[in-house]
Amino acid sequence: GDSVTQMEGPVTLSEEACLTINCTYTATGYPSLFWYVQYPGEGLQLLLKATKADDKGSNKGFEATYRKETTSFHLEKGSVQVSDSAVYFCALTGTYKYIFGTGTRLKVLA
Amino acid sequence: DGGITQSPKYLFRKEGQNVTLSCEQNLNHDAMYWYRQDPGQGLRLIYYSQIVNDFQKGDIAEGYSVSREKKESFPLTVTSAQKNPTAFYLCASSPGGAKETQYFGPGTRLLVL
Repeated sequence: GDSVTQMEGPVTLSEEACLTINCTYTATGYPSLFWYVQYPGEGLQLLLKATKADDKGSNKGFEATYRKETTSFHLEKGSVQVSDSAVYFCALTGTYKYIFGTGTRLKVLA
Repeated sequence: DGGITQSPKYLFRKEGQNVTLSCEQNLNHDAMYWYRQDPGQGLRLIYYSQIVNDFQKGDIAEGYSVSREKKESFPLTVTSAQKNPTAFYLCASSPGGAKETQYFGPGTRLLVL
């Protein structure tokens, strides 16, 4: 069945460091792909999305490219801030529901 | 402001008690969802509804029940049959189709006394 695999966390970075959080997927058909962010004690917020191969989603300095050949949707940011500390979830649209990864916790130190 | 509201923010359940979590949306979305989140795990789908008066079981529906009598409301009842209810519960909605973006509420944390 459809699945999403994210890199294990936590990821700890210094402020202004580069970020990559890996996400790979298996799916039948042509799913849409998403990154959501969750701050402590809150719900999930949509960070970015891509609906077809080679699409690049971007928001707040984060970006991810839908790579069908490598079945990947890695999240990247060139310079992280303390305020980016959160849990990041990769997700894809299955037949009738979303499939979520287990989440990657990011901690950014000042 | 359009959005999804969940209440209460914290809920305490006694042994053998049923409790109901509220979810309301004013986005005019057709589809609504309930997820359960446990520490260090992803989200697991409990129930979903694609239209008023219709809902379907998700992956972990046992011990839970829902209703969808109004488009804007999708309450979740955690019954006494759910033996391990302590978790963070998230409600979401989307305009409709399976590929649509889902928008999430702020969540309800359920604790057992």
